[in-house]
Amino acid sequence: KNQVEQSPQSLIILEGKNCTLQCNYTVSPFSNLRWYKQDTGRGPVSLTIMTFSENTKSNGRYTATLDADTKQSSLHITASQLSDSASYICVVSAPGDAGNMLTFGGGTRLMVKP
Amino acid sequence: DAGVTQSPTHLIKTRGQQVTLRCSPKSGHDTVSWYQQALGQGPQFIFQYYEEEERQRGNFPDRFSGHQFPNYSSELNVNALLLGDSALYLCASSRRGSNYGYTFGSGTRLTVV
Repeated sequence: KNQVEQSPQSLIILEGKNCTLQCNYTVSPFSNLRWYKQDTGRGPVSLTIMTFSENTKSNGRYTATLDADTKQSSLHITASQLSDSASYICVVSAPGDAGNMLTFGGGTRLMVKP
Repeated sequence: DAGVTQSPTHLIKTRGQQVTLRCSPKSGHDTVSWYQQALGQGPQFIFQYYEEEERQRGNFPDRFSGHQFPNYSSELNVNALLLGDSALYLCASSRRGSNYGYTFGSGTRLTVV
């Protein structure tokens, strides 16, 4: 069964600090991995997307890594800001006959405190 | 260029009623997927529509049905609402054959009382 596990479930950090969120997956075959940021009650917004051959991708203060051999990904947030408080969701895509299927992780709820 | 538009943004219904949620995909996208997201949980796949037909379906009962129109917009219908149907319903659009470009709407918050 395709699964995506994220850790930690929740995290509290002080403004200005760095943090790293983890994502392990068992999805196979693999198409790509995405990290989304979701504010409470809003739709997810894409941060990064990586294919099998990409190890690192950055988007401003967000840097995602992918190890396709161990099926692990991380999202590193640098110099956190209060606006980074949100849920961060790891989504793995697998090719299917009817188009790519997405498997969502449960998310990491990040709270940045002043 | 408009992104994915969902309506309404919020909705309150009574148990046993029926509800219709609407989604307009991003310009250039032809595939629409619907997700249910309970509070504090990740989104769960309901179904996907392409060329006006349901192509894939998640583990949801037949009370959940949908439709896609020739202009690629889509509706999600839920019959005989249960309290447990209370959730954020997300629509995501994409272009068939593209490996990228899933765009999510802001969702419809459904509360069943």
